Amino acid sequence: DAEITQSPRHKITETGRQVTLACHQTWNHNNMFWYRQDLGHGLRLIHYSYGVQDTNKGEVSDGYSVSRSNTEDLPLTLESAASSQTSVYFCASSESPGGSEQYFGPGTRLTVT
Amino acid sequence: GENVEQHPSTLSVQEGDSAVIKCTYSDSASNYFPWYKQELGKRPQLIIDIRSNVGEKKDQRIAVTLNKTAKHFSLHITETQPEDSAVYFCAASRAKLSFGAGTTVTVRA
Repeated sequence: DAEITQSPRHKITETGRQVTLACHQTWNHNNMFWYRQDLGHGLRLIHYSYGVQDTNKGEVSDGYSVSRSNTEDLPLTLESAASSQTSVYFCASSESPGGSEQYFGPGTRLTVT
Repeated sequence: GENVEQHPSTLSVQEGDSAVIKCTYSDSASNYFPWYKQELGKRPQLIIDIRSNVGEKKDQRIAVTLNKTAKHFSLHITETQPEDSAVYFCAASRAKLSFGAGTTVTVRA
């Protein structure tokens, strides 16, 4: 069965370190998204990609970057982790950019100390 | 960009009663409105969606209504059961999804 996975599931890091969160999907979807989830804010879009070599900024992109070298993967990098980036991060993919179901990964809980 | 507001933020209902969650959106060009359910510690999952050319859609105990003129849409859950306890998110999309802040629904036995 097709799936979307994230790793690691839990991560503790120190302020200032670079961190990369992995996202891998086997749906063969062109569209992939990264969200962060914080209490009271719902799901906020960080970055998204509509295909290989395409990346776009979302509403809360400062301090984050992504790259898309193949269809299956969209890693999220925190260039210099800050305590404000402590959150739960979800990756998602979909068949169409905004008009179809998004399939979410299991999430990564990141703590920045 | 799109702004989605969701109310209430918390909702407690007696088992068997109905639950209603309301959302408003700002971009009149939005044309896709999904609802996601997230159980504690789990990933969000789509439970129902509606497109702008439809006014109402039902799937067993859940239904969604859309009023394009007023730019609001609602989720209705009838005959609530304990397994309906979760956080529910509405979203609106023209090209990408914008989510509401979520509603925590608790069904009291």
